[in-house]
Order: sequence, then structure tokens, then C-alpha cells
Amino acid sequence: AQKITQTQPGMFVQEKEAVTLDCTYDTSDQSYGLFWYKQPSSGEMIFLIYQGSYDEQNATEGRYSLNFQKARKSANLVISASQLGDSAMYFCAMRDDAGGTSYGKLTFGQGTILTVHP
Amino acid sequence: DVKVTQSSRYLVKRTGEKVFLECVQDMDHENMFWYRQDPGLGLRLIYFSYDVKMKEKGDIPEGYSVSREKKERFSLILESASTNQTSMYLCASSPLDREASYEQYFGPGTRLTVT
Repeated sequence: AQKITQTQPGMFVQEKEAVTLDCTYDTSDQSYGLFWYKQPSSGEMIFLIYQGSYDEQNATEGRYSLNFQKARKSANLVISASQLGDSAMYFCAMRDDAGGTSYGKLTFGQGTILTVHP
Repeated sequence: DVKVTQSSRYLVKRTGEKVFLECVQDMDHENMFWYRQDPGLGLRLIYFSYDVKMKEKGDIPEGYSVSREKKERFSLILESASTNQTSMYLCASSPLDREASYEQYFGPGTRLTVT
């Protein structure tokens, strides 16, 4: 069974500083995908970034980058130059691609609340 | 612009009532999902569907059922609502292509309170 662990219930960062949100995962599959979503207080889930298990380069999307360490089974999200609007809940999630029968199901971590201070 | 809509943002129901939560997507996606979100537990998959009339149990299906009569619509049914089903319910959809990095697109959520 897949498992995603986010060990930081809450994180604080100063505006314009970088912050790393931790995510570790557990799977016996060779093929999988890792996602990060942002959930502001309004409740909608916003997709941020994706990393495939066979991707050799770390994924980047603007100020977001995913620090993918396959051997350690970690997929940490790095937000550079934090902004006040980054204050939100952040979820790490994994999709099991093995055998092509997962139908895109995601397993989510517990989430980390990020607060950006001015 | 892609869109997943849910019938209600807030819902208050009484214990024992039958509750319907509706989800509609306009992206012609094959896959649709229902999750519940609780503090400290993240999102947990209740049911999903990969085609019309097809459904599969997720991790926490007890007390719930689903219906998918049309491709764009996926309904979650609480047969007899209980207070432990008070939660935020999120619907999502995604295309069938399993090789792509397609994310799931989420609706705005329904916050259900069962009293």
C-alpha cells in the first residue's frame, strides 16, 4: 500500500525567504507520480507541480521546485521568494502508475499549513 | 477554462437523512473521484469512477455509495447520514491517459455538517 507522510503540521516563513515543505513516500512500485497541491482558505485545490518517478531532472514551475530524492523516497517542495499569498495548506500526493490500473487515484499526505509573515 | 462544480458549498443535514452530493465536470474526463478531507488526515478517497456506470471503492467507502449515469456527473450518496460524516467533501476529475502527468482537477468542495 502507498503512503505519503508530511511531518510538518505547520511552517512559518518570512516574506521573500525560501521555504521547504517536506514529503516522504512509501511504495513498492517502480512507476509513480508525485504531485503538490495548494489549498488556500477558500478551499479550492490548486495543482502546483508534478514529478514522474523516471524523470531525471527535478521539476520546476516558476517559484516552485520539487527536490526529488528517489533513493530516500522524498519529494520536498521548495518555494522561493515567499509571498503573502503563499499562505495556505499544502498537500503532497502520489499516483500509482504500476500496471496501468490505478485510474489516476491519488494518495494524499496530511498536509502542511504554511504561514508567510510580512 | 476547465471546471468542476459541486452542487452546494455548505450543507446541514440531520442524522439519518439521505444526502446527495452532486459533482459535474465539463472537461469530458473519464475519471471522477470523491474525497473527504478532515484535519490531520489529509484527503481520503471514498469512491472513484473510470467510466459511466463503473465505480470502484476507495479507502473509506463505508456508509457511502455513488452513481455515475452520465460521463459528466458523479454523485456521492450518504444513505443514512451520521455525525461522523461531518466533513469537507471534494470532487475531482482527470483524463484517462495514465502515461501523462495529468493532475486531478478539483471542485470547490462541500462542507457537510450532520447534526
